[in-house]
Amino acid sequence: SQTIHQWPATLVQPVGSPLSLECTVEGTSNPNLYWYRQAAGRGLQLLFYSVGIGQISSEVPQNLSASRPQDRQFILSSKKLLLSDSGFYLCAWSNGGQETQYFGPGTRLLVL
Amino acid sequence: GDSVTQMEGPVTLSEEAFLTINCTYTATGYPSLFWYVQYPGEGLQLLLKATKADDKGSNKGFEATYRKETTSFHLEKGSVQVSDSAVYFCALISRGTYKYIFGTGTRLKVLA
Repeated sequence: SQTIHQWPATLVQPVGSPLSLECTVEGTSNPNLYWYRQAAGRGLQLLFYSVGIGQISSEVPQNLSASRPQDRQFILSSKKLLLSDSGFYLCAWSNGGQETQYFGPGTRLLVL
Repeated sequence: GDSVTQMEGPVTLSEEAFLTINCTYTATGYPSLFWYVQYPGEGLQLLLKATKADDKGSNKGFEATYRKETTSFHLEKGSVQVSDSAVYFCALISRGTYKYIFGTGTRLKVLA
């Protein structure tokens, strides 16, 4: 069966510090991968998606970036965090051609 | 553009009460529709889905019917339990795209 992992589960970072959140998927090959952010009291916003290694599409311009160095690994990064980057970050995957997405447990980020 | 509108919460019910959470959508073409549930501190889990008009998705006692004429996908459950307390998200995905459009979520609190 397929599983999706995210780490860390919780992160507290100062403004201006770098960020790296990792997501890995097991039990499938060539998945589509997604990063979402859920701000407090708001819905989910798609940040990035990837249909293959090195292929990243950005949905919202901001100070975040994403990379996919391996087939089942998706990384969300920032060089300098802003207060507004605080939120709950969710990674998801889907099989190519299928619509249902499966979400990881999320990373709660607090920028102080 | 495509959008999803959910009723604002929180919705507070007593155990065994009937639940309805309204969801309406705007989309070009014929999207697939989803309900996801987020338990406290966790990621999102797929609750049910429907891919064409008049389809009924169901799972764990929850149901939703894809109503093309009213562009709605309301979530219902005949008798809620305390364990159903969570945030519920309605979402759509348009054919041929990878992008979910989520509603803002509706928090449900069920009291014993």
